[in-house]
Amino acid sequence: AQSVTQLGSHVSVSEGALVLLRCNYSSSVPPYLFWYVQYPNQGLQLLLKYTTGATLVKGINGFEAEFKKSETSFHLTKPSAHMSDAAEYFCAVITDTGGFKTIFGAGTRLFVKA
Amino acid sequence: DTGVSQNPRHKITKRGQNVTFRCDPISEHNRLYWYRQTLGQGPEFLTYFQNEAQLEKSRLLSDRFSAERPKGSFSTLEIQRTEQGDSAMYLCASSNWRTGGVGELFFGEGSRLTVL
Repeated sequence: AQSVTQLGSHVSVSEGALVLLRCNYSSSVPPYLFWYVQYPNQGLQLLLKYTTGATLVKGINGFEAEFKKSETSFHLTKPSAHMSDAAEYFCAVITDTGGFKTIFGAGTRLFVKA
Repeated sequence: DTGVSQNPRHKITKRGQNVTFRCDPISEHNRLYWYRQTLGQGPEFLTYFQNEAQLEKSRLLSDRFSAERPKGSFSTLEIQRTEQGDSAMYLCASSNWRTGGVGELFFGEGSRLTVL
């Protein structure tokens, strides 16, 4: 069965610093990969997704992620953190062996220090 | 597009009582999902519908949980004989599997259940 592992339940960066949130997946078939963000007291919303094609995908608010099949990874990055990026980030996977349902990782909470 | 709507937003109940949550998806979306989220965890899949058909239910889901989606529109999630372990945020999401945006989920703000 497919699964998602997010390394680090909490990540703290200074404003202006690089953001790197790690995600590894397990799937025996090509996956669809997603990052969702949850701001305090709000619902989850899509940040970016990889389905097919270009392995570097760009999302909202300056975030991007790269699909690396050889490493089974889909790490999320942003060159320069902003205070408004403080939120919880979830990596998620869909495979066609999983009934096309979305499976989420445990999440990484991002703290941004002034 | 008014978004996914969930009601009630908060529910406090005593152990043993039944509770029902409602989800109104985005109108043109054919899939509807229920997830459960506890503190410090990611959303845990419960069940999903394509139109009115319930296609999958998590094996972890107790028989006390039941979901319906009559006429393929809104959905209800009922929990019978609630237990303290049922305390969680119940999330509803919808998606349009037909027309691109493959698998992208649109979430409501959730219904928080507290069982005393």
